Amino acid sequence: EVQLVESGGGLVQPGGSLRLSCAASGFTFSDYNMNWVRQAPGKGLEWVSFITGGGSSPIYYADSVKGRFTISRDNAKNSLYLQMNSLRAEDTAVYYCARGRSGTFYQVDTWGQGTLVTVSS
Amino acid sequence: DIQMTQSPSSLSASVGDRVTITCRASQSIGSSLSWYQQKPGKAPKVLIYGASSLQSGVPPRFSGSGSGTDFTLAISSLQPEDFATYYCQQSSRTPPTFGQGTELEIK
Repeated sequence: EVQLVESGGGLVQPGGSLRLSCAASGFTFSDYNMNWVRQAPGKGLEWVSFITGGGSSPIYYADSVKGRFTISRDNAKNSLYLQMNSLRAEDTAVYYCARGRSGTFYQVDTWGQGTLVTVSS
Repeated sequence: DIQMTQSPSSLSASVGDRVTITCRASQSIGSSLSWYQQKPGKAPKVLIYGASSLQSGVPPRFSGSGSGTDFTLAISSLQPEDFATYYCQQSSRTPPTFGQGTELEIK
Protein backbone atom coordinates (compact mmCIF):
# COMPACT_ATOMS: atom_id res chain seq x y z
CA GLU A 1 0.00 0.00 0.00
CA VAL A 2 1.28 3.43 -0.94
CA GLN A 3 1.67 5.51 2.20
CA LEU A 4 3.04 8.90 3.21
CA VAL A 5 3.45 9.73 6.90
CA GLU A 6 4.44 13.22 8.03
CA SER A 7 6.05 14.09 11.35
CA GLY A 8 7.89 16.93 13.02
CA GLY A 9 5.10 19.42 13.51
CA GLY A 10 4.54 21.28 16.75
CA LEU A 11 4.48 24.62 18.48
CA VAL A 12 7.29 27.04 17.67
CA GLN A 13 7.86 30.71 18.45
CA PRO A 14 7.94 33.34 15.72
CA GLY A 15 11.40 33.46 14.19
CA GLY A 16 12.05 29.85 15.12
CA SER A 17 12.79 26.78 13.01
CA LEU A 18 11.24 23.39 12.47
CA ARG A 19 12.03 20.42 10.25
CA LEU A 20 9.20 18.34 8.86
CA SER A 21 9.70 14.79 7.61
CA CYS A 22 7.60 12.59 5.36
CA ALA A 23 8.24 8.84 5.36
CA ALA A 24 7.22 7.09 2.16
CA SER A 25 6.45 3.41 1.72
CA GLY A 26 4.82 1.05 -0.74
CA PHE A 27 6.46 2.47 -3.87
CA THR A 28 9.86 3.27 -5.39
CA PHE A 29 10.33 6.67 -3.78
CA SER A 30 13.05 7.92 -6.12
CA ASP A 31 10.76 7.47 -9.14
CA TYR A 32 8.38 10.17 -7.98
CA ASN A 33 8.41 13.93 -7.74
CA MET A 34 7.17 15.24 -4.40
CA ASN A 35 5.44 18.34 -3.06
CA TRP A 36 4.57 20.01 0.21
CA VAL A 37 1.12 21.58 0.45
CA ARG A 38 -0.27 23.41 3.48
CA GLN A 39 -3.64 24.42 4.83
CA ALA A 40 -4.08 27.18 7.38
CA PRO A 41 -6.85 26.61 9.95
CA GLY A 42 -10.24 27.00 8.28
CA LYS A 43 -8.65 27.96 4.96
CA GLY A 44 -7.98 26.40 1.58
CA LEU A 45 -5.03 24.50 0.18
CA GLU A 46 -1.76 26.26 -0.67
CA TRP A 47 1.14 24.66 -2.53
CA VAL A 48 4.50 25.23 -0.78
CA SER A 49 7.34 23.46 -2.57
CA PHE A 50 8.37 20.86 -5.18
CA ILE A 51 11.34 18.56 -5.67
CA THR A 52 12.14 16.08 -8.42
CA GLY A 53 12.52 12.36 -7.81
CA GLY A 54 16.29 12.59 -8.02
CA GLY A 55 16.42 15.62 -5.76
CA SER A 56 18.10 17.79 -8.34
CA SER A 57 16.95 20.83 -10.30
CA PRO A 58 14.34 22.01 -10.66
CA ILE A 59 13.26 22.81 -7.13
CA TYR A 60 10.43 25.28 -6.69
CA TYR A 61 8.99 27.30 -3.83
CA ALA A 62 5.95 29.45 -3.30
CA ASP A 63 6.83 33.12 -3.08
CA SER A 64 5.48 33.18 0.48
CA VAL A 65 8.20 30.78 1.71
CA LYS A 66 11.08 31.44 -0.71
CA GLY A 67 14.33 32.10 1.12
CA ARG A 68 12.97 30.70 4.41
CA PHE A 69 12.02 27.09 3.59
CA THR A 70 14.20 24.37 2.05
CA ILE A 71 12.89 21.14 0.56
CA SER A 72 15.12 18.07 0.35
CA ARG A 73 14.91 14.30 0.16
CA ASP A 74 16.94 11.24 1.03
CA ASN A 75 16.00 8.48 -1.40
CA ALA A 76 18.06 5.92 0.54
CA LYS A 77 15.78 6.58 3.52
CA ASN A 78 12.59 7.03 1.48
CA SER A 79 12.12 10.38 3.13
CA LEU A 80 11.12 13.91 2.17
CA TYR A 81 11.94 16.93 4.33
CA LEU A 82 10.96 20.55 4.73
CA GLN A 83 13.33 22.75 6.72
CA MET A 84 11.39 25.82 7.87
CA ASN A 85 13.30 28.83 9.20
CA SER A 86 12.27 32.33 10.24
CA LEU A 87 8.77 31.08 10.93
CA ARG A 88 5.88 33.54 11.04
CA ALA A 89 2.40 33.37 12.47
CA GLU A 90 1.03 33.07 8.94
CA ASP A 91 2.96 29.80 8.48
CA THR A 92 0.60 28.15 10.98
CA ALA A 93 -1.02 25.32 9.05
CA VAL A 94 -1.34 21.60 8.54
CA TYR A 95 1.48 20.57 6.22
CA TYR A 96 0.88 17.69 3.81
CA CYS A 97 3.42 15.85 1.73
CA ALA A 98 1.95 14.94 -1.63
CA ARG A 99 3.22 12.63 -4.34
CA GLY A 100 3.15 13.77 -7.94
CA ARG A 101 1.49 11.30 -10.28
CA SER A 102 4.06 9.41 -12.36
CA GLY A 103 5.61 11.69 -14.96
CA THR A 104 4.03 14.85 -13.58
CA PHE A 105 5.14 17.62 -11.25
CA TYR A 106 2.02 18.80 -9.50
CA GLN A 107 -0.74 16.33 -10.33
CA VAL A 108 -1.08 14.80 -6.85
CA ASP A 109 -2.15 11.18 -6.57
CA THR A 110 -1.35 10.48 -2.91
CA TRP A 111 -1.54 12.67 0.20
CA GLY A 112 -0.11 12.13 3.65
CA GLN A 113 -2.28 12.63 6.72
CA GLY A 114 -0.63 15.96 7.55
CA THR A 115 1.30 17.44 10.48
CA LEU A 116 0.25 20.61 12.31
CA VAL A 117 2.67 23.49 12.67
CA THR A 118 1.68 26.27 15.06
CA VAL A 119 3.74 29.46 15.16
CA SER A 120 2.89 31.44 18.25
CA SER A 121 4.51 33.09 21.26
CA ASP B 1 0.06 33.05 -11.18
CA ILE B 2 -3.00 31.30 -12.58
CA GLN B 3 -6.12 32.08 -10.54
CA MET B 4 -8.64 29.31 -10.03
CA THR B 5 -12.19 30.37 -9.22
CA GLN B 6 -14.78 27.87 -8.05
CA SER B 7 -18.52 28.37 -7.97
CA PRO B 8 -20.51 28.18 -5.93
CA SER B 9 -18.54 28.64 -2.70
CA SER B 10 -21.18 26.65 -0.87
CA LEU B 11 -24.02 24.44 -1.92
CA SER B 12 -26.89 22.75 -0.11
CA ALA B 13 -28.30 19.58 -1.60
CA SER B 14 -30.15 16.42 -0.67
CA VAL B 15 -29.21 12.76 -0.88
CA GLY B 16 -29.96 11.58 -4.42
CA ASP B 17 -29.55 15.00 -6.03
CA ARG B 18 -27.28 15.66 -8.97
CA VAL B 19 -24.89 18.52 -8.34
CA THR B 20 -22.28 20.33 -10.37
CA ILE B 21 -19.36 22.49 -9.27
CA THR B 22 -17.52 24.68 -11.72
CA CYS B 23 -13.92 25.84 -11.78
CA ARG B 24 -12.58 28.58 -14.01
CA ALA B 25 -8.91 29.25 -14.71
CA SER B 26 -7.61 32.76 -15.39
CA GLN B 27 -5.77 31.41 -18.44
CA SER B 28 -5.83 28.23 -20.47
CA ILE B 29 -4.51 25.16 -18.67
CA GLY B 30 -5.42 22.53 -21.25
CA SER B 31 -6.63 19.50 -19.31
CA SER B 32 -4.24 19.94 -16.36
CA LEU B 33 -7.00 20.05 -13.78
CA SER B 34 -7.60 17.86 -10.74
CA TRP B 35 -10.47 17.65 -8.27
CA TYR B 36 -10.08 16.75 -4.60
CA GLN B 37 -12.54 15.97 -1.85
CA GLN B 38 -11.76 16.87 1.75
CA LYS B 39 -13.65 16.02 4.91
CA PRO B 40 -13.09 17.85 8.21
CA GLY B 41 -9.82 16.90 9.88
CA LYS B 42 -8.78 14.67 7.00
CA ALA B 43 -6.32 14.92 4.12
CA PRO B 44 -7.65 15.69 0.65
CA LYS B 45 -8.61 12.73 -1.52
CA VAL B 46 -8.07 12.64 -5.26
CA LEU B 47 -11.26 12.27 -7.31
CA ILE B 48 -10.42 13.37 -10.85
CA TYR B 49 -7.18 14.10 -12.72
CA GLY B 50 -6.48 15.25 -16.24
CA ALA B 51 -9.85 17.05 -16.11
CA SER B 52 -11.88 13.87 -16.72
CA SER B 53 -9.98 10.76 -15.58
CA LEU B 54 -11.47 9.01 -12.57
CA GLN B 55 -8.96 8.13 -9.84
CA SER B 56 -8.86 4.41 -9.10
CA GLY B 57 -11.32 3.46 -6.40
CA VAL B 58 -13.52 6.54 -6.79
CA PRO B 59 -17.20 5.76 -7.43
CA PRO B 60 -18.40 6.40 -11.01
CA ARG B 61 -21.06 8.84 -9.78
CA PHE B 62 -18.20 11.37 -9.84
CA SER B 63 -17.25 12.77 -13.24
CA GLY B 64 -15.18 15.65 -14.55
CA SER B 65 -15.29 17.57 -17.80
CA GLY B 66 -13.89 20.63 -19.50
CA SER B 67 -10.69 21.94 -21.02
CA GLY B 68 -8.95 25.25 -21.48
CA THR B 69 -10.39 27.53 -18.82
CA ASP B 70 -13.75 26.03 -17.82
CA PHE B 71 -14.19 22.80 -15.90
CA THR B 72 -16.98 20.97 -14.12
CA LEU B 73 -17.20 18.34 -11.40
CA ALA B 74 -20.49 16.47 -11.37
CA ILE B 75 -21.87 14.09 -8.77
CA SER B 76 -24.75 12.16 -10.30
CA SER B 77 -26.59 10.98 -7.20
CA LEU B 78 -25.40 12.38 -3.89
CA GLN B 79 -24.64 9.91 -1.13
CA PRO B 80 -24.34 10.80 2.57
CA GLU B 81 -20.56 10.35 2.43
CA ASP B 82 -20.25 12.96 -0.36
CA PHE B 83 -20.93 15.91 1.90
CA ALA B 84 -17.51 17.54 2.08
CA THR B 85 -15.45 20.37 0.64
CA TYR B 86 -14.25 20.11 -2.96
CA TYR B 87 -11.19 21.79 -4.47
CA CYS B 88 -9.96 22.14 -8.02
CA GLN B 89 -6.25 22.53 -8.78
CA GLN B 90 -4.31 23.41 -11.89
CA SER B 91 -1.03 21.63 -12.55
CA SER B 92 -0.18 23.32 -15.83
CA ARG B 93 2.07 26.10 -14.59
CA THR B 94 4.33 26.89 -11.65
CA PRO B 95 3.09 27.63 -9.04
CA PRO B 96 0.26 25.12 -9.01
CA THR B 97 -2.85 26.78 -7.62
CA PHE B 98 -6.08 25.68 -6.01
CA GLY B 99 -9.59 27.00 -6.11
CA GLN B 100 -10.98 28.43 -2.90
CA GLY B 101 -13.15 25.37 -2.29
CA THR B 102 -16.83 24.51 -2.49
CA GLU B 103 -18.52 23.32 0.68
CA LEU B 104 -21.27 20.82 -0.07
CA GLU B 105 -23.80 20.66 2.75
CA ILE B 106 -26.82 18.55 3.49
CA LYS B 107 -30.12 20.31 2.88
